[in-house]
Amino acid sequence: LAKTTQPISMDSYEGQEVNITCSHNNIATNDYITWYQQFPSQGPRFIIQGYKTKVTNEVASLFIPADRKSSTLSLPRVSLSDTAVYYCLVGVFYNQGGKLIFGQGTELSVKP
Amino acid sequence: EAGVTQFPSHSVIEKGQTVTLRCDPISGHDNLYWYRRVMGKEIKFLLHFVKESKQDESGMPNNRFLAERTGGTYSTLKVQPAELEDSGVYFCASSLVPGQGAGEQFFGPGTRLTVL
Repeated sequence: LAKTTQPISMDSYEGQEVNITCSHNNIATNDYITWYQQFPSQGPRFIIQGYKTKVTNEVASLFIPADRKSSTLSLPRVSLSDTAVYYCLVGVFYNQGGKLIFGQGTELSVKP
Repeated sequence: EAGVTQFPSHSVIEKGQTVTLRCDPISGHDNLYWYRRVMGKEIKFLLHFVKESKQDESGMPNNRFLAERTGGTYSTLKVQPAELEDSGVYFCASSLVPGQGAGEQFFGPGTRLTVL
C-alpha cells in the first residue's frame, strides 16, 4: 500500500484558495488517489477521486502530475465552514476488499 | 435519502462491561464497514461485510470484538468485556459497491465509546 505524507496543519483566511499537497512516492500503477473531509463530530466524507491529470467537481479540484508521486487538493474560495481535517488516500481499494487506509490528515483552519 | 445512522451516539461504560453498537447502512448498500479511532490515533479499519458475510475482518483487534450483520441489513459490533483501551470513536460506513479506485464510502456520525 502506498504511504502518504501530507502537512499536519494549515491555516487560511476566508475567500482564499487553499491547496493541500499529498506525497505518495511509491504509488502503484493501478492506484487511485482519493480525498476525504472530516468535520468535528462527524464521519469522513468523500470529496474527490482521480487517477491522473485534473479532476474537478462542485467542491474541489484534484491536480495530479504526470509522475503521480504527489497530488494537490484545491479548495477555491474557502469559507469558515471548510474548517476540517482532509485525508489523502491512495490505493486500489477494491482489491483491498474495499477498506480505506487513513493517515493523520491535514487539519485546515479557516479564519475570518 | 437517509444516510448511515449509528446508535448510540455516546456510550459510557465501566471496564469489564459489555457494549453493543449498532449501524444502519444506507438502504441497498451491500457493503458495510466498521472503523475506529482511538484517542490520538488514526482512523483504523476493523472489518468489512458484503451483505451478511464477513469479507475482511483483518482489522479486528482481538476476540473481545464481535460483529454481526444478520439478514444483510443493519450491523452490530459488540465489545465484551470492554477494556480501557477500547475507548474511542467507532464509525460505520456503507457503499453500493467497493468500486474502482476508492469508490465512495458513506460514513455515519460515529459512536463515542468511553470505558472507565
